[in-house]
Amino acid sequence: GESVGLHLPTLSVQEGDNSIINCAYSNSASDYFIWYKQESGKGPQFIIDIRSNMDKRQGQRVTVLLNKTVKHLSLQIAATQPGDSAVYFCAENEDGYNKLIFGAGTRLAVHP
Amino acid sequence: EAGVVQSPRYKIIEKKQPVAFWCNPISGHNTLYWYRQNLGQGPELLIRYENEEAVDDSQLPKDRFSAERLKGVDSTLKIQPAELGDSAVYLCASSPDLYNSPLHFGNGTRLTVT
Repeated sequence: GESVGLHLPTLSVQEGDNSIINCAYSNSASDYFIWYKQESGKGPQFIIDIRSNMDKRQGQRVTVLLNKTVKHLSLQIAATQPGDSAVYFCAENEDGYNKLIFGAGTRLAVHP
Repeated sequence: EAGVVQSPRYKIIEKKQPVAFWCNPISGHNTLYWYRQNLGQGPELLIRYENEEAVDDSQLPKDRFSAERLKGVDSTLKIQPAELGDSAVYLCASSPDLYNSPLHFGNGTRLTVT
């Protein structure tokens, strides 16, 4: 199948470990942020979102942390599984009207 | 619920030829987006619609690209004539509304211009 990102930074983890994927966003006025997962040959899949009035939000096995002071977003995946292998993108809502600006992406490789 | 449906899945054309992509959003989603994704990069917005109105087409190369959403449901993105640099994945997305809600993406159309 086609590759989503041939030259993306890669995070390699062992199955069962926790993963942390980081993202720096650009616009201090952005008030809504989303993490997407993209598998090869597929479109981005929504994982979790967070609004700027929060600094942490938890989902099933995933946690998003937002640090507005340094414009930093992170995605934590607990007990990483082989099915988590994909490219992960953060996106910021630049204008409040769903104008999403995507980051460069990070490839997560999970090894058994 | 059914997801965003795009067709064709792949398209190979020669440069200077026209090409069109079709998108059917999730039922009830008023807002529709077209993104382009180059290899190794994140998606970039081309145009977004609120019902049948294009509310932001500032990043659409209007000399060769056009889009329509005549009845506020399905949408078509066209390129005429295609150039080599247009090779990319064209993604369609929809959301329930225009304000701070997650976009749901289709699997895209992979365009190769030779």
